[in-house]
Amino acid sequence: AQSVTQLGSHVSVSEGALVLLRCNYSSSVPPYLFWYVQYPNQGLQLLLKYTTGATLVKGINGFEAEFKKSETSFHLTKPSAHMSDAAEYFCAVRKTAGGTSYGKLTFGQGTILTVHP
Amino acid sequence: GAGVSQSPRYKVTKRGQDVALRCDPISGHVSLYWYRQALGQGPEFLTYFNYEAQQDKSGLPNDRFSAERPEGSISTLTIQRTEQRDSAMYRCASSSPRAGGYEQYFGPGTRLTVT
Repeated sequence: AQSVTQLGSHVSVSEGALVLLRCNYSSSVPPYLFWYVQYPNQGLQLLLKYTTGATLVKGINGFEAEFKKSETSFHLTKPSAHMSDAAEYFCAVRKTAGGTSYGKLTFGQGTILTVHP
Repeated sequence: GAGVSQSPRYKVTKRGQDVALRCDPISGHVSLYWYRQALGQGPEFLTYFNYEAQQDKSGLPNDRFSAERPEGSISTLTIQRTEQRDSAMYRCASSSPRAGGYEQYFGPGTRLTVT
């Protein structure tokens, strides 16, 4: 079974500072990896995804993440935080092929990002 | 519509009542997923459909929960004899086989409160 661990349920940064949100996964084979963002009273929005190819992926709003197979990690970063980045962020994994549960996403518990002026 | 829609957005019901939650996916999207999100947690998979066929219902917690998608478009998640522990945000997502179908597009959710 797959699982996702997000280290730190709350992360607080100052505006302009580096954002680092950690995600580690457990899977028998490397899965597809995703980061979603959830703003208050809104649905989940895809930030970025890793499926194949380059392990450093860029997403919307200046975010990027790097897939490190040896560390089973997919940490999310942004060089300079903006007030509008305050939201809850979820890391998720999905099987790459096969089986009846092929389509489902397995999410981490989420990390709430607070940005201070 | 432009995105996934869900109705109602908020539902308050008394314990023991049945509720039906609706999801209208993005037009043309083959796959439709239901998730449940408790407060302070990530979404948890309930079930999913390809067209009208239910492919996986392993996440449905018990037989009070059921889902259907009879015409391969709109889906309904039904909870019978609701209990307080059913209170949560219920989220629907859809995806297209184009470009691998990797991305799931989520609706705004239905907040269910059982009193």
